[in-house]
Amino acid sequence: AQTVTQSQPEMSVQEAETVTLSCTYDTSESDYYLFWYKQPPSRQMILVIRQEAYKQQNATENRFSVNFQKAAKSFSLKISDSQLGDAAMYFCAYRSTNTGNQFYFGTGTSLTVIP
Amino acid sequence: DVKVTQSSRYLVKRTGEKVFLECVQDMDHENMFWYRQDPGLGLRLIYFSYDVKMKEKGDIPEGYSVSREKKERFSLILESASTNQTSMYLCASSHLSPGQGARQPQHFGDGTRLSIL
Repeated sequence: AQTVTQSQPEMSVQEAETVTLSCTYDTSESDYYLFWYKQPPSRQMILVIRQEAYKQQNATENRFSVNFQKAAKSFSLKISDSQLGDAAMYFCAYRSTNTGNQFYFGTGTSLTVIP
Repeated sequence: DVKVTQSSRYLVKRTGEKVFLECVQDMDHENMFWYRQDPGLGLRLIYFSYDVKMKEKGDIPEGYSVSREKKERFSLILESASTNQTSMYLCASSHLSPGQGARQPQHFGDGTRLSIL
């Protein structure tokens, strides 16, 4: 089974600053998808951003962007101009293209935004 | 928007009880999943199902069973609840892989916080 590692259990950032959350994964496959999910306190987990492994261009969604390094098997999330509403647990996830009914999640990073 | 609905946000049960957690999705997704979420351990897959009456064990199936009699509904059953099953339970659904279906994310319910006393 694929493994997904988030090595930062907790992170903090000043409001309006930029923060980067790390994620690495282990796979022998060449074709897959990577996701970042956000889980606000006591609220539903929602998709933040998605990256296709076959695309070299890094995905961007407004203030959220990724740094996808396929050779290094690294998929970090950058949050720019951090807002109080960004405070949440963030989970990195992997899904195979060919055998991908299952998603593999990291253990999560708890992000605190300091006013 | 996709809606995944879990029957209860909070549930308190006693040791030894049989507990049912229900999940319904309205997007005709083939896949449905049950996860357990504990601090520091992330999401751990209990069971998933890719079709009606089909099920696959995840990483921690012991002490749990599932039922999928209809495509939109996926139930998690704790046969004899124990205190170490106190946790947050998350249901999710997604389209089937392989191919383009794999780019579709999972959609999650609000979660059920289950306490076993």
